[in-house]
Amino acid sequence: DSGVTQTPKHLITATGQRVTLRCSPRSGDLSVYWYQQSLDQGLQFLIQYYNGEERAKGNILERFSAQQFPDLHSELNLSSLELGDSALYFCASSVGSGLRLDTQYFGPGTRLTVL
Amino acid sequence: AQSVTQLGSHVSVSEGALVLLRCNYSSSVPPYLFWYVQYPNQGLQLLLKYTTGATLVKGINGFEAEFKKSETSFHLTKPSAHMSDAAEYFCAVTLSGSARQLTFGSGTQLTVLP
Repeated sequence: DSGVTQTPKHLITATGQRVTLRCSPRSGDLSVYWYQQSLDQGLQFLIQYYNGEERAKGNILERFSAQQFPDLHSELNLSSLELGDSALYFCASSVGSGLRLDTQYFGPGTRLTVL
Repeated sequence: AQSVTQLGSHVSVSEGALVLLRCNYSSSVPPYLFWYVQYPNQGLQLLLKYTTGATLVKGINGFEAEFKKSETSFHLTKPSAHMSDAAEYFCAVTLSGSARQLTFGSGTQLTVLP
């Protein structure tokens, strides 16, 4: 158990809908990272937040957005969902902002299925 | 930009045999390199990482990896495979000084045969 929690575990929805994935980092970690794992794209970094502020952006679609709240939990919002958004979404957390080589600890993931 | 290539999407070994999972990287600056393991229905767990210094890195569960700059490689090895090693293994790279964004390889599924 990494200490990172993600809810829900599974999510099934329809095209065009909007969903919110939630992540609680390990106690004491200030950074949250979001990754997408799909069969065709593999594991891709989406976005990082540190202490409430966006710090790094990867291959995140404009239909996707994220935020980190004062209690440090984070939410990833996916809108106008398409079939291709079906994937496993991982959250990871680390102590620092990433400038030092902090280990990223991964949660168990949320499996999103878009029908 | 950095990238990672894992050779062999599936590797099968017998229990007790040597495990060798290959990873080559491309980076214009000194990289930080990682190996993660993903067991079925679980998140990723860090096995080991290379930053600077000793090029042979020891990790958990008896795994180790050697950073070879001349070959741009960071292969993962374990002398004797155990059934519990069956999982998917990911090599990842990030640029030194910027550990925010991990770039992962496509993964290698390790099967351990009895």
